[in-house]
Amino acid sequence: SQQGEEDPQALSIQEGENATMNCSYKTSINNLQWYRQNSGRGLVHLILIRSNEREKHSGRLRVTLDTSKKSSSLLITASRAADTASYFCATDATGGFKTIFGAGTRLFVKA
Amino acid sequence: GAVVSQHPSRVICKSGTSVKIECRSLDFQATTMFWYRQFPKQSLMLMATSNEGSKATYEQGVEKDKFLINHASLTLSTLTVTSAHPEDSSFYICSARSAGTVNTEAFFGQGTRLTVV
Repeated sequence: SQQGEEDPQALSIQEGENATMNCSYKTSINNLQWYRQNSGRGLVHLILIRSNEREKHSGRLRVTLDTSKKSSSLLITASRAADTASYFCATDATGGFKTIFGAGTRLFVKA
Repeated sequence: GAVVSQHPSRVICKSGTSVKIECRSLDFQATTMFWYRQFPKQSLMLMATSNEGSKATYEQGVEKDKFLINHASLTLSTLTVTSAHPEDSSFYICSARSAGTVNTEAFFGQGTRLTVV
């Protein structure tokens, strides 16, 4: 089962531009996580934001969480070609322990 | 972060044979492990949740007799794809968590690419 949608499904930008990806989910959550996956490879954990947090930063990454709208966004600033990958949000539902993934956004950063 | 090792990273098998994939937590006790499947250009779909010493809980639509999961110790879970067919070709990823880690990340293995010919 998948928790929700990600928007856009695919995004192509120039190096140096910012990339924003959005995620919506359906149930109450304990936390929301963002992962990166390079083609055919494993997952890289980027950020975890708890349900009582609204914003978190890590380097060039900024994540927001709006639990009233059941949505989150991931902003990558000053993108680089190496940021080209698929990005997934994933949620841990309240009272649960399993992590459910969104559909993902495929980001392509042109050099 | 904690390390989860998955083996093998790639496997090719003949149709009708069975394949076992191992998932090990190297530096923590994984009371719960999860198995996901990912088809090309799609997201990760949760297949099942396994708790050490008990039967796995399968997600709707996942055949428990085809995807056998064993979680016999706190550091090892295995997924056996029985009587594999070409449509089982996929990327399989495990993740592991320890008890009391509700608000922390799950740790993922590197994934296993299964090709059934």
